[in-house]
Amino acid sequence: EDKVVQSPLSLVVHEGDTVTLNCSYEVTNFRSLLWYKQEKKAPTFLFMLTSSGIEKKSGRLSSILDKKELFSILNITATQTGDSAIYLCALANAGGTSYGKLTFGQGTILTVHP
Amino acid sequence: DGGITQSPKYLFRKEGQNVTLSCEQNLNHDAMYWYRQDPGQGLRLIYYSQIVNDFQKGDIAEGYSVSREKKESFPLTVTSAQKNPTAFYLCASRPHRDSNYGYTFGSGTRLTVV
Repeated sequence: EDKVVQSPLSLVVHEGDTVTLNCSYEVTNFRSLLWYKQEKKAPTFLFMLTSSGIEKKSGRLSSILDKKELFSILNITATQTGDSAIYLCALANAGGTSYGKLTFGQGTILTVHP
Repeated sequence: DGGITQSPKYLFRKEGQNVTLSCEQNLNHDAMYWYRQDPGQGLRLIYYSQIVNDFQKGDIAEGYSVSREKKESFPLTVTSAQKNPTAFYLCASRPHRDSNYGYTFGSGTRLTVV
């Protein structure tokens, strides 16, 4: 059974701090790993990672995948109060009838204080 | 604008009653998914459908049923057999099962059973 574990489960920081969110996984047929940000309702897509060691960046956010050690990190630099959200890591499976479904981690609740 | 519409946003039901949650998309996506979100547990897959008139059970299908009679619609029925139905329900879609894009999510329905 595919498994995704995120850490920490919650994190409280002050504006300007840098945070690193972790996602480790076990999967039988890896296709891709995705990061989402959920503020109030619908999760919004951040990154999709398929290749090991290639950093993806979007503004102050960046993410990288290590397929050998089976983990990914999401970095947020110079945090702002608008970064407060639940950050979800999800694994896309490539095998059989479960093709395309996502397995999510528990999420990391990030709170950024002014 | 294209997107996924879930309705209603909030739903209250008495214990023992069946209830149907609506999910409609005008993105012309083939694949649609239902997830349940509980605090501290991330998103868990209930059912998914890759094409019209076909669907598969996810990880927590017991007590739920779905139909996929039209490409744009994937309603979820929470039956009285579901032991703990109070949760936040998210519907998602993607162009097709092997799409390189992440999910597009609806805004969710918060179901409270009293």
